[in-house]
Amino acid sequence: AQKVTQAQTEISVVEKEDVTLDCVYETRDTTYYLFWYKQPPSGELVFLIRRNSFDEQNEISGRYSWNFQKSTSSFNFTITASQVVDSAVYFCALSEYNDMRFGAGTRLTVKP
Amino acid sequence: NAGVTQTPKFRVLKTGQSMTLLCAQDMNHEYMYWYRQDPGMGLRLIHYSVGEGTTAKGEVPDGYNVSRLKKQNFLLGLESAAPSQTSVYFCASRTWDFTDTQYFGPGTRLTVL
Repeated sequence: AQKVTQAQTEISVVEKEDVTLDCVYETRDTTYYLFWYKQPPSGELVFLIRRNSFDEQNEISGRYSWNFQKSTSSFNFTITASQVVDSAVYFCALSEYNDMRFGAGTRLTVKP
Repeated sequence: NAGVTQTPKFRVLKTGQSMTLLCAQDMNHEYMYWYRQDPGMGLRLIHYSVGEGTTAKGEVPDGYNVSRLKKQNFLLGLESAAPSQTSVYFCASRTWDFTDTQYFGPGTRLTVL
């Protein structure tokens, strides 16, 4: 069965620090997709990135970067030079076909 | 496009009461989902639908029923609400392509007393 683990329940950093959010997944399929979503205090879910199981290239988008390693079944998310607006709950998710499984989320607090 | 909308936004029920949550999408998506979000547990899939007239159970289906009579609507029903069903409920939709992201509604906060 598919499973996503986000071991870090809460992280607190000071503005401008770099922070990495960990995500470890389990799946028996060879074809799957991994996602990261952001849930700001307002409550909506914001899509950040999608990565397929055949593409292990790291991706960078502005201050955000993602490191996908199939060998360790991990899909970690790094925010460089964090800002107060990055404060949110971040979810990692795994999609195999019909459904999607989410991790429990990591609450990130960025203090000024 | 309104995207994915949910009705109502908030609701308070007494134990044993019934209610229906409505999800509507205007993107002509085939797949629709209902999740519940509880503190420390992320989002858990309740039921989903891969097309009009079809439904399937997710991870936590007990106590809920769903219907997809029209492609654009996905209804979630609670026949006899229990305090354990106090949660935030999210609806989502996507195309047939499982590589596509899911588009989420704004959520419904339900409290069962």
